[in-house]
Amino acid sequence: DQQVKQNSPSLSVQEGRISILNCDYTNSMFDYFLWYKKYPAEGPTFLISISSIKDKNEDGRFTVFLNKSAKHLSLHIVPSQPGDSAVYFCAASIFSSNTGKLIFGQGTTLQVKP
Amino acid sequence: EPEVTQTPSHQVTQMGQEVILRCVPISNHLYFYWYRQILGQKVEFLVSFYNNEISEKSEIFDDQFSVERPDGSNFTLKIRSTKLEDSAMYFCASNRDWNTEAFFGQGTRLTVV
Repeated sequence: DQQVKQNSPSLSVQEGRISILNCDYTNSMFDYFLWYKKYPAEGPTFLISISSIKDKNEDGRFTVFLNKSAKHLSLHIVPSQPGDSAVYFCAASIFSSNTGKLIFGQGTTLQVKP
Repeated sequence: EPEVTQTPSHQVTQMGQEVILRCVPISNHLYFYWYRQILGQKVEFLVSFYNNEISEKSEIFDDQFSVERPDGSNFTLKIRSTKLEDSAMYFCASNRDWNTEAFFGQGTRLTVV
């Protein structure tokens, strides 16, 4: 049951350009969404989050957009840097569950070329 | 910066043996989690723990699994009789509140042979 999907396994962009990573979800109960970055042999690192009452959240070079009607969110990285090369996971949770359980997508491997 | 630490980084065990994976969550965090990632697959939720009890567990978290907070700092995952399919990266995570971002440890790679 893939409630959170990242349909692009990989993405390659040039340094300085925009990276756009996409995520779709099927469970309309999800109301809190997060993006994590993961390097090999490390745990996921929190990047940015958004609650369903917003449609955009920005933190430096990272912006997350949420389209509730389409059940879609995206992460924009501008400008992309070689150090951004990693696997990016979208995750979702249900606030009212009170447990903090996260459902992850499969991940998208981003490669930023110098 | 505070971090979640996990030991060991790699554990090799024979099928049928018991293993205990250890985690030290961030000190002022109250919610604790275990996730796992089988090679090539997505990160999967196993269990959440709050106030010394399990608050939610997945279908994966069957009777072979248990969690414990034996003292004020450690959080452990025990697998009683390991199977080959338990081979995975196991991540511990914690957060201050259930509605804030979770911080993950670096993981323990469990290899069952």
